[in-house]
Amino acid sequence: DQQVKQNSPSLSVQEGRISILNCDYTNSMFDYFLWYKKYPAEGPTFLISISSIKDKNEDGRFTVFLNKSAKHLSLHIVPSQPGDSAVYFCAARRYGKLTFGQGTILTVHP
Amino acid sequence: GAVVSQHPSRVICKSGTSVKIECRSLDFQATTMFWYRQFPKQSLMLMATSNEGSKATYEQGVEKDKFLINHASLTLSTLTVTSAHPEDSSFYICSARDGARGGRFPDTQYFGPGTRLTVL
Repeated sequence: DQQVKQNSPSLSVQEGRISILNCDYTNSMFDYFLWYKKYPAEGPTFLISISSIKDKNEDGRFTVFLNKSAKHLSLHIVPSQPGDSAVYFCAARRYGKLTFGQGTILTVHP
Repeated sequence: GAVVSQHPSRVICKSGTSVKIECRSLDFQATTMFWYRQFPKQSLMLMATSNEGSKATYEQGVEKDKFLINHASLTLSTLTVTSAHPEDSSFYICSARDGARGGRFPDTQYFGPGTRLTVL
């Protein structure tokens, strides 16, 4: 039972443009949502998070949007930079435990 | 801030031996740490939740006698893979929850760099 899904395995974007990464979930009991960035053979690095009571949270180039009625969240990166190229995981939290999506490989071309 | 370390980063062992992996929160106290496992090209799967001073809570399907977890202090949790077999080869990652951190991103889990275990 995949409760958190990232349906796009990969995304390619030109430098300077917007990157939009999407995530869907099925469990309405999740209370917090997080985005992590990960390089191969490394641990995930925390990027940004949002509480289930909010619909938007912004931190520098990163903005996370939450649509609870659609059980959908997205991460916007503006402007995208080549250094943003990595695997991005969304995660949803319930009772303090995280459930991760499958990840989306983002490639930002110069 | 919020740095989590893991040691070793890579270990190769013979089948039947035990391997211990350490997870440390370097600049904060973590009453709760988590252990994950990641198979190639797959997501992170939670194995167990480790609470300081108490027994770990294991996820369904994870053998607690095989994966021994000890959380002896607020900055250290260890995972011991006992009698390792080739199917235990994987990337093991820990995280620590900084419950004291407030601000815009409270109660976030911060991850260690991971340990690549190869069992021959």
